[in-house]
This record gives sequence, C-alpha cells and structure tokens, in this order.
Amino acid sequence: QQQVKQSPQSLIVQKGGISIINCAYENTAFDYFPWYQQFPGKGPALLIAIRPDVSEKKEGRFTISFNKSAKQFSLHIMDSQPGDSATYFCAAGLTRLTFGTGTRLTIIP
Amino acid sequence: KAGVTQTPRYLIKTRGQQVTLSCSPISGHRSVSWYQQTPGQGLQFLFEYFSETQRNKGNFPGRFSGRQFSNSRSEMNVSTLELGDSALYLCASQTQLASNTGELFFGEGSRLTVL
Repeated sequence: QQQVKQSPQSLIVQKGGISIINCAYENTAFDYFPWYQQFPGKGPALLIAIRPDVSEKKEGRFTISFNKSAKQFSLHIMDSQPGDSATYFCAAGLTRLTFGTGTRLTIIP
Repeated sequence: KAGVTQTPRYLIKTRGQQVTLSCSPISGHRSVSWYQQTPGQGLQFLFEYFSETQRNKGNFPGRFSGRQFSNSRSEMNVSTLELGDSALYLCASQTQLASNTGELFFGEGSRLTVL
C-alpha cells in the first residue's frame, strides 16, 4: 500500500517536444505529491509539488496533472531542452516520502 | 547558505566490515532523513531523526542504524556489510518534522561499494 509505481524507466524526447512521466499510488491517505530532479553526481532537488485538492499545477515549463480518482499523477515538461536531461523521481507523502523508481530522461537535439 | 554536506563521498569496504557515514544538515534544519538509492529501486527510506530522536524508520534490517547529535548532525552506520548494501546513501534535511509537508534538501550522497 506504500508503493509508488513510476513509468517509463527511461525516455528519449526530441528537443522542443513534450516529456511525460507517469506515477500511480495505492495509499489514498497520501496527501503530498512532489517531483524531484536529479543530475549525475548530485542529490535530488525538488522540482514541483502538488496537493490532492487541485488537479493541476504549473510552474514554467513543468506541469503536474493529478487524478485523485485514478490515483495517478504525471509530470509534463513542455518544450523539453537538453538541460532537462536528468533522472526524475515522483514521490508521495504522508508521514514520510515514498519515492518511485525513477525515469531517466534524455533530450536529444 | 551551505547545503547538506555528506562525508565521505566515496568508500570501498569488504563484506563483513562496518561503515559510518556522516551528514551535516543545512544550518537551522532540525530534521535529517536517510535514503538508500540503487538502480531500479529508486530511493528507499531508511530513517528520520528530529531533535536527536528517531521519529520514523523504513523496512531495513537492524544492521542499519543511525543517530543525531545536539547540533543536528547525523550519522548512519551499517554493520556486517553485504554485497547488496552497495548503493548511494543520501541524506536530506528540512526545517521541521513531517517530511510530507516540506521540501527535502538532499546532499550529494556517499557512494558505498562493498566487495
């Protein structure tokens, strides 16, 4: 019940395209859903987060879409850039964060 | 403002040995959490400390332990190392307890290789 399932494991997107990463959770008590971005050799850093009382949150080129009834949420990166190439982790929180297994995103020119 | 500092950054141990990893949180942060990162498993929660007390624990064997000092610095220890303990160990700090409500600030990790 504490699992967060993330897909795809890896993703290649052309520059300027839309990158989409999906996550699903089981525990309906989760009330905080952040996305973290990790570059090689660095620790993860918070990218954007959402609470279940809203269905979408947008910050610049990054958008979280949240579907409470389906227990799913996704990250959309618009106009993807080579600098967005990184590993992305979704997470869900209650008393602590449970992370997905990560998606390695590569943006090609 | 200095970030989360973890030492050592890299270390190699052999099976059966023990290891101690150190974490200095951001100044003013009182909560320190530890995560194990492995390929395919993502980040798995080890434990969280706040005000020198363990407040939350993940599903790891008793070989994994930790502590927090009065200055909020934290250490984690792994005894009787196994090959499967090879991983990147990440420390994260935040201002207060309840990690679901705030941003976790991660260090760059300590990469442990067990031979």
